[in-house]
Amino acid sequence: GEDVEQSLFLSVREGDSSVINCTYTDSSSTYLYWYKQEPGAGLQLLTYIFSNMDMKQDQRLTVLLNKKDKHLSLRIADTQTGDSAIYFCAESIAGGYQKVTFGTGTKLQVIP
Amino acid sequence: ETGVTQTPRHLVMGMTNKKSLKCEQHLGHNAMYWYKQSAKKPLELMFVYNFKEQTENNSVPSRFSPECPNSSHLFLHLHTLQPEDSALYLCASSQETGDNEQFFGPGTRLTVL
Repeated sequence: GEDVEQSLFLSVREGDSSVINCTYTDSSSTYLYWYKQEPGAGLQLLTYIFSNMDMKQDQRLTVLLNKKDKHLSLRIADTQTGDSAIYFCAESIAGGYQKVTFGTGTKLQVIP
Repeated sequence: ETGVTQTPRHLVMGMTNKKSLKCEQHLGHNAMYWYKQSAKKPLELMFVYNFKEQTENNSVPSRFSPECPNSSHLFLHLHTLQPEDSALYLCASSQETGDNEQFFGPGTRLTVL
């Protein structure tokens, strides 16, 4: 079955770049996602990348996909204290019905 | 009110109690989901409803019983739960089950004593 793995915790200093990594096992994955969960809130979609793309950039966020190694990363430039949250990697196989498989989430702590 | 709302936000119940979690979405979506979020575990998909019909039951024990009376409302009825069922229960919705973005509610923090 599908499996998505992430490290549980990352700590960075304010102003530095954060890189959150994720590996997945299903080579049929078509879409890969990053969700953000702030304290006391539900998950919010940050960005997603289609499997035929290597990179996607959206303001301070850069997503890199290495399909050969089944590795996905999220880079946050100039990390701010407001970026402190849990970041979930997820994947799905697009089709008539889409089931999204989530990782454990990486808790990002930004130190002022 | 906008987005996906869930009530109650916190719930403490005994193993013999019966309670229900409620989810409501104001987005006009047709698909709704229940997820279980436990510490240090991947988010687990429990149930999927599409146009009020259940399309997925991810081997969830029968002590969890979902109900979807219409496309805007989703319930999770709980009875004779176990302490290991304590978790954050998240509701989500999307326009269709094939959509790329799911919109999540804030969750109900459930504690089973």
